[in-house]
Amino acid sequence: NAGVTQNPKFQVLKTGQSMTLQCAQDMNHNSMYWYRQDPGMGLRLIYYSASEGTTDKGEVPNGYNVSRLNKREFSLRLESAAPSQTSVYFCASSEQIPGSSYNSPLHFGNGTRLTVT
Amino acid sequence: AQSVAQPEDQVNVAEGNPLTVKCTYSVSGNPYLFWYVQYPNRGLQFLLKYITGDNLVKGSYGFEAEFNKSQTSFHLKKPSALVSDSALYFCAVRDRDDYKLSFGAGTTVTVRA
Repeated sequence: NAGVTQNPKFQVLKTGQSMTLQCAQDMNHNSMYWYRQDPGMGLRLIYYSASEGTTDKGEVPNGYNVSRLNKREFSLRLESAAPSQTSVYFCASSEQIPGSSYNSPLHFGNGTRLTVT
Repeated sequence: AQSVAQPEDQVNVAEGNPLTVKCTYSVSGNPYLFWYVQYPNRGLQFLLKYITGDNLVKGSYGFEAEFNKSQTSFHLKKPSALVSDSALYFCAVRDRDDYKLSFGAGTTVTVRA
């Protein structure tokens, strides 16, 4: 099992460019997440998907869109990149059954390091 | 609203000495609490969690954590630290009825030989 796979691993964009961060999990998990990690701020939730076809905004959704393409894949899109979006982006998944208690841990990918100049 | 505080940015210990990483939390309902570890250029790895029951929770790599409801704390401990424990540690909290998992800012642990 590969777990959670993210692509690309590194990316440099110019301000205003767009890109899509890819994420796929092979653990048959229902829930998927996108976080960004910035020094001294921990991880902040961008978007969440409880199951295929559903998405919810997290703490910092502005400037991002997501697509839950199927149960395995959850992509994050930056339509017009800004320097404030320079960060490390992590995708995660969880064996969360909708309607049950949220006690399952998250499984993380290795991240995408994005620089916007 | 829920939040996590990790009051120490850095913890330095000698190999073989006890290691403690502090965490306090705030949540409106009953909490689920988690610890994760991050090695350089890697994603976060799950260490342990508190759901209910015994206040002392044991996890991976010899780590344990103690849930203290009155002090709203969930400190991570290891009786004898190894150089390989050097990493970034995150505490996280979730209200039992909420999917949102809130992370602390992280504590960098350095274990010197």
